[in-house]
Amino acid sequence: GQNIDQPTEMTATEGAIVQINCTYQTSGFNGLFWYQQHAGEAPTFLSYNVLDGLEEKGRFSSFLSRSKGYSYLLLKELQMKDSASYLCAVMDSNYQLIWGAGTKLIIKP
Amino acid sequence: GAVVSQHPSWVICKSGTSVKIECRSLDFQATTMFWYRQFPKQSLMLMATSNEGSKATYEQGVEKDKFLINHASLTLSTLTVTSAHPEDSSFYICSAYNERGPTYEQYFGPGTRLTVT
Repeated sequence: GQNIDQPTEMTATEGAIVQINCTYQTSGFNGLFWYQQHAGEAPTFLSYNVLDGLEEKGRFSSFLSRSKGYSYLLLKELQMKDSASYLCAVMDSNYQLIWGAGTKLIIKP
Repeated sequence: GAVVSQHPSWVICKSGTSVKIECRSLDFQATTMFWYRQFPKQSLMLMATSNEGSKATYEQGVEKDKFLINHASLTLSTLTVTSAHPEDSSFYICSAYNERGPTYEQYFGPGTRLTVT
C-alpha cells in the first residue's frame, strides 16, 4: 500500500533551526510537496521537489532523495508565526496526492 | 499565484437539511478539482476527485449519494452535503491545480466550516 510517515509533533525554540522528516512508499512518483497549515485555515504551498537535491527558498529549504524515499523540510531562523502543521504529500503515478498526517510544530520563545 | 475561492466560508444548518459548497478557480481552468474533509486535529482526508463533464471519483468509504459533486464548468465544482447530520460537521476544503502551470502544485480554497445542529 501507499504510505507516508512524518513525526506527529516537534518542538523548537524561536531563532533556531528545525528539520522535519518525511519518508514515503508510493505507487510511482511525480513529485513531493510540502504545505504549511495554520489551525483553522487551508494549507498553503511551501515547496515542490521532483529531482534529488536541495531546494532553497528563503528561510525554508526542502530536500529529496528518491532512492531512499526520503525528504525533509528545513526551517531556519524560526519565528513564532512558524507554529503550524507541516504536511508532506507525494504525487503518485496517477497524479493523485497522497498525504502524510502532518507534523505539528510548536515554537517556544 | 493561482487563486481558488470557496463559498460559503462557514455555514450552520439543521440536521436533515442539505448544504451546497462552491469551489471556483478564479484565474485558471481546472479540469480536475479535489474535495477534502478535515476533522479537528486530524490531517486532510481526500473525499473525491471532481472531473469536469464527467462523474466524480469517490474515495473508499465516502457515500456518493450523500456527498453530491457537480463539476459543470472548467472553473466551478460544487459539493452538496445531503441530509446532513451532526457527524458531518467538519472543515471542507477544495483544491485544484493549474494544468498549464509549471508544477502540479495544488491550490487550496480557504475552506468551509460546516456545523450541523
